[in-house]
Parts: sequence; structure tokens; C-alpha cells
Amino acid sequence: DSGVTQTPKHLITATGQRVTLRCSPRSGDLSVYWYQQSLDQGLQFLIQYYNGEERAKGNILERFSAQQFPDLHSELNLSSLELGDSALYFCASSVDPSGYQETQYFGPGTRLLVL
Amino acid sequence: EDQVTQSPEALRLQEGESSSLNCSYTVSGLRGLFWYRQDPGKGPEFLFTLYSAGEEKEKERLKATLTKKESFLHITAPKPEDSATYLCACGGSNYKLTFGKGTLLTVNP
Repeated sequence: DSGVTQTPKHLITATGQRVTLRCSPRSGDLSVYWYQQSLDQGLQFLIQYYNGEERAKGNILERFSAQQFPDLHSELNLSSLELGDSALYFCASSVDPSGYQETQYFGPGTRLLVL
Repeated sequence: EDQVTQSPEALRLQEGESSSLNCSYTVSGLRGLFWYRQDPGKGPEFLFTLYSAGEEKEKERLKATLTKKESFLHITAPKPEDSATYLCACGGSNYKLTFGKGTLLTVNP
């Protein structure tokens, strides 16, 4: 158990809908990262927040957005869902990304299926 | 653009048959190289962090090494419970982790 929690574990929805994925980082970690994992693309970095502020952006679609709240939990919002958005979504956390790259600890993931 | 390439894509071993997994990287300003283990449908589980060429880390049957261009994950006398996908990731100057596509390891009893 990494200490990172994610809800829900599974999500089934229809095209065009909007969903929200939730992540709670390890106690004491200030940074939260979101990743998408599909069979053909592997793990793709989406976005990072550090202490409530956006820190880095990866291949995140405009239909996707995220935020980190004062209690450090984070939410990833996916809207206008398409079939191709079906994937595993992981959250990871680390203490502080300054200096050397800090180790990121991953949650168990949310499996999203868009029908 | 940072790139991480892992080989082989898949590897089948007999129990006790030692081998190595390779991770080649092209990263601007390497800030750390990471190895993770991932079981099907689960989140990646952290194994090792390496920061500089020549560094080595060990844990049970696993040993990770790092050069300026690649990293190896050596598996000594593997057991069936070592079967998993092993992921390599590099942290560059932009705080992003770039992952390879992984090596699917199967250890037969």
C-alpha cells in the first residue's frame, strides 16, 4: 500500500458525459501527478500540481482539467468523454519536486470505461 | 523530447534463470531514473531510484544499475512471484517523468 488513495476504483459512463476522479496523496506529500495508461500508449503524464498550484503539464487534452485543493487532495475532471478516453487513470504523489527528481508513489488507479 | 526505450518487450524465464532488462534513455538533464513493478490492473510499485552513473541499488533478487545512456535491472534466480511488468522512468529538467512501455516478465515454475 503506497498511501495514495483514489476513488472510484471503476467508472462506467457514456460518450459525451463528464466525470470526476479523486486522489488523496500520501501524508506529507505536497505534489500530485496525474497519469493516463492505455494499452497502446503506456503511462502518459497529464499534469502536476504542487501545493495547490499547477507545476507542469504533459499531454493533457483541453477537455480535461485538474485542481488541487487546500487539503492537498486533487481532482481530475474529464468532460465530453470519447471512447478513446477509456483507460486507467493513476494519481501519484511526492514530497517536493525541487532539486533531484523525487520518487513518485502511485495510487491503485481508476479504471474508466466509456461506452 | 525525452525518450525512454525498454527492451525486450516481453521475457519468459524459467524459475532460477537469471537475466537482465534494459532501459535506454535520452533525457535532457537527468534528475533521476526510476524502476517500478506493475501487476495487472494495479498501480506501479516503486522499486529503485538511481541518480548518477555508476550507482547501483539492490533489493532481494533485483539489482538496478545506471550508466550515462542506460539502466539495467538484473534479476537473479527469479521466482514465479517476480512475474510482472517492469517499468523504467526518467525524470528530466521539467519535473516530468517519462515512462518506457515496460517489459512483461513471466517466470515459469
